Amino acid sequence: TQLLEQSPQFLSIQEGENLTVYCNSSSVFSSLQWYRQEPGEGPVLLVTVVTGGEVKKLKRLTFQFGDARKDSSLHITAAQPGDTGLYLCAGDNYGQNFVFGPGTRLSVLP
Amino acid sequence: SQTIHQWPATLVQPVGSPLSLECTVEGTSNPNLYWYRQAAGRGLQLLFYSVGIGQISSEVPQNLSASRPQDRQFILSSKKLLLSDSGFYLCAWSALAASGDTQYFGPGTRLTVL
Repeated sequence: TQLLEQSPQFLSIQEGENLTVYCNSSSVFSSLQWYRQEPGEGPVLLVTVVTGGEVKKLKRLTFQFGDARKDSSLHITAAQPGDTGLYLCAGDNYGQNFVFGPGTRLSVLP
Repeated sequence: SQTIHQWPATLVQPVGSPLSLECTVEGTSNPNLYWYRQAAGRGLQLLFYSVGIGQISSEVPQNLSASRPQDRQFILSSKKLLLSDSGFYLCAWSALAASGDTQYFGPGTRLTVL
C-alpha cells in the first residue's frame, strides 16, 4: 500500500515569514500534485511535477520534486494571510491509482 | 475549458433516508471520474472511481454506491444513510496527459446526517 506523509500536520506563522512543508513516501510516483483547499471548497490544483529534481515556481511558492520521485517540498516566501488553507500533496502511481497525503493545515496570522 | 459541477452544495438528511449526489463534467470527453469523502480538516478518502460508462470500482466497502449513466455524469447514492456518512463529498475528474494524471475537483457537497 502506497502512503504519502505530510509534515508538519499544522503550522501557524506570522505574515512575512517563510515556511516549507514536506510530502514524503517510500514509493516512486510518476507525477506529484500539490493542492490548496479552503474551508467548504474543493481542492484547487497548484502544480504538477513530473521530472525528478524538477523545481517549479508559482509567484511566492516554490515546488521541488525529489530526485528519486519519492518526495516533494513546497516553500512559501513571505507568507500572507491569503496563503492560509489545507495543503494537500497527491501522487500518481503511473496511472494505476492516485494517493493523497493527509495535508498540512497552514494558518498565516496578520 | 473544462468545468466540474456538483449538487447540491449542502444537504441535511435524517438517518435511514436515501441519498443521491450528482457530479457532471463539461468540456472533456471520456474523463476518469472519482468520488472522495473528506472528514473535517482531514485528507481525502477515495470511495469510487470510474474509467467509463457503467464501469465503477469501489475502494471502500460501505453502504454507498456509485453509477455512471452517461460519459460525463457520476452519481453517488445510498439507500439508507448512516450517521457516519456525514462529511464533505468531493467529485473529481482526470485525463491522462503528458504532464501526468492530474485530478481536478468540484466544489463539494456538505452532507450532514442527523
